[in-house]
Amino acid sequence: GAGVSQSPSNKVTEKGKDVELRCDPISGHTALYWYRQSLGQGLEFLIYFQGNSAPDKSGLPSDRFSAERTGGSVSTLTIQRTQQEDSAVYLCASSFGRPPLHFGNGTRLTVT
Amino acid sequence: GIQVEQSPPDLILQEGANSTLRCNFSDSVNNLQWFHQNPWGQLINLFYIPSGTKQNGRLSATTVATERYSLLYISSSQTTDSGVYFCAVEETSYDKVIFGPGTSLSVIP
Repeated sequence: GAGVSQSPSNKVTEKGKDVELRCDPISGHTALYWYRQSLGQGLEFLIYFQGNSAPDKSGLPSDRFSAERTGGSVSTLTIQRTQQEDSAVYLCASSFGRPPLHFGNGTRLTVT
Repeated sequence: GIQVEQSPPDLILQEGANSTLRCNFSDSVNNLQWFHQNPWGQLINLFYIPSGTKQNGRLSATTVATERYSLLYISSSQTTDSGVYFCAVEETSYDKVIFGPGTSLSVIP
């Protein structure tokens, strides 16, 4: 596609359920980033992929969070046993391995 | 890890006014980017500027890497400039891109 695509755009889930967020980067982009943005806050780094490997997973908030990337393209961010503090906008960005980063419109996650 | 600071945290401008936003970082970086997040949450890259000066219309940016800061200039501000401006740096030891806390700009008519 022309830009970074994220799905779903909105997700409401009950506390304790698992959720899966998807990111389709721009075709050919080798680097992919996940960030989290709580209401009125800045962007919190979660994880970065170069190809299918994640050199830095240090930003994942807990072991309930995991991410994978397959075929050097689509990435999924999985949150298990969701908690209310997981409510935020989850943003994905991609690049050709160097800046600039191109962002998707994000997935707004609400945990009730 | 690297620390990124931005100032001011909030700014209110009358339409037509000029402003300067600042980004300080605590260590050497591979590169620096400026982003604008509009009121609908969309993030747009404004500049990729590891050093030197770039201009794009009413916006320009300068990065002095040796002194670990970057400036974003907005001239003749318009209401559409409202939103949050973020700087983001890539650490030299890692490839991850870290964002500053942002400057929230409101341009009033």
